[in-house]
Amino acid sequence: DGGITQSPKYLFRKEGQNVTLSCEQNLNHDAMYWYRQDPGQGLRLIYYSQIVNDFQKGDIAEGYSVSREKKESFPLTVTSAQKNPTAFYLCASSVLRQGAGGYTFGSGTRLTVV
Amino acid sequence: KNEVEQSPQNLTAQEGEFITINCSYSVGISALHWLQQHPGGGIVSLFMLSSGKKKHGRLIATINIQEKHSSLHITASHPRDSAVYICAVNGNYGGSQGNLIFGKGTKLSVKP
Repeated sequence: DGGITQSPKYLFRKEGQNVTLSCEQNLNHDAMYWYRQDPGQGLRLIYYSQIVNDFQKGDIAEGYSVSREKKESFPLTVTSAQKNPTAFYLCASSVLRQGAGGYTFGSGTRLTVV
Repeated sequence: KNEVEQSPQNLTAQEGEFITINCSYSVGISALHWLQQHPGGGIVSLFMLSSGKKKHGRLIATINIQEKHSSLHITASHPRDSAVYICAVNGNYGGSQGNLIFGKGTKLSVKP
């Protein structure tokens, strides 16, 4: 079955370390997105990509980096510059370039920085 | 003011009750989505609407474009419906047309 796979589900890191979250989809979707979720807040967009080798900053891109070398993969790196990295991270994809179609979400990665 | 507002924030119901969750938005949109997030965190897309009404099983979603308002109804609610329900819209503006703007979610708890 097609879908999005995020790994790992839980991740613990020491302060000051970079960490990379994986997101893979086998839906042949053009667009992929990374969102951050904090308690009591709506999901906020970190980065998105509508085509291979191209990506755009979202509302809260500072302290994060991404790459889109393959259509299927959109990894997110949380760098040491991110001041408050502990959060729940969700990856999503959509079929249309403008993303106005249906979305598929991953199961998320909960990152805890200690 | 948030561009997407949901009410109520929290909702507790008895099994069998009819439930309504509301969503109001202040931007032009191309589509509105209702999403379900279970305690484990993964999100499932329930509906995508641009007009009218959609039904899937015990779930019904409606949208009124003129009033910029949508509702999600659950008939004959069941404890397994307990989850956070999130309203999100595709803004119909600028370079980020494909991106979703999310409400903060409504936490539903259905008691047996």
